[in-house]
Amino acid sequence: QQQVKQSPQSLIVQKGGISIINCAYENTAFDYFPWYQQFPGKGPALLIAIRPDVSEKKEGRFTISFNKSAKQFSLHIMDSQPGDSATYFCAAIWSGGYQKVTFGTGTKLQVIP
Amino acid sequence: NAGVTQTPKFRVLKTGQSMTLLCAQDMNHEYMYWYRQDPGMGLRLIHYSVGEGTTAKGEVPDGYNVSRLKKQNFLLGLESAAPSQTSVYFCASRLAPVTGELFFGEGSRLTVL
Repeated sequence: QQQVKQSPQSLIVQKGGISIINCAYENTAFDYFPWYQQFPGKGPALLIAIRPDVSEKKEGRFTISFNKSAKQFSLHIMDSQPGDSATYFCAAIWSGGYQKVTFGTGTKLQVIP
Repeated sequence: NAGVTQTPKFRVLKTGQSMTLLCAQDMNHEYMYWYRQDPGMGLRLIHYSVGEGTTAKGEVPDGYNVSRLKKQNFLLGLESAAPSQTSVYFCASRLAPVTGELFFGEGSRLTVL
């Protein structure tokens, strides 16, 4: 059972464009939603995270939008750069579930010049 | 700073052979996790530990065993390897709080022939 659904599976964006990755979750008990970025041959690394009591969080060119009623959240990458080319994972954590981190299936982003 | 170190980084096994993956962290983190990453499947939790001497099953525990005899080490064992266990394995650690960042190792690529 996939508790966090992520789309699209892959994404090609031109340099300077906006990259948008969407995630949807089922368990309303989730109370923390991080995004991880993974470069080839490396482990994922935390990019940005949000709590469900906030509708938006911005860090530089990266923004998380959160819609609690729809149980959806998304990552927006503004002014996408070739260096942003990586795989992105959304995740969800339930503090009452022994803090297991449930990941989405990942989105491979390619930013072309 | 070493962070999370996984050994070995690459391994080829024959069906039925056994092996152990070692994860070591030097951040004094309570929580440690083993994930496997497969194309289109994202990161799936195999086993995790909430402290020294404790382990618990994740989403896909069958065919794997783990031990956490020391706080800094988390071992993942394959008793009788199967081709379905061909994957990239990631170890991660984090502090106890929900918002604690997951720190990943660089991965161990295992091929079972």
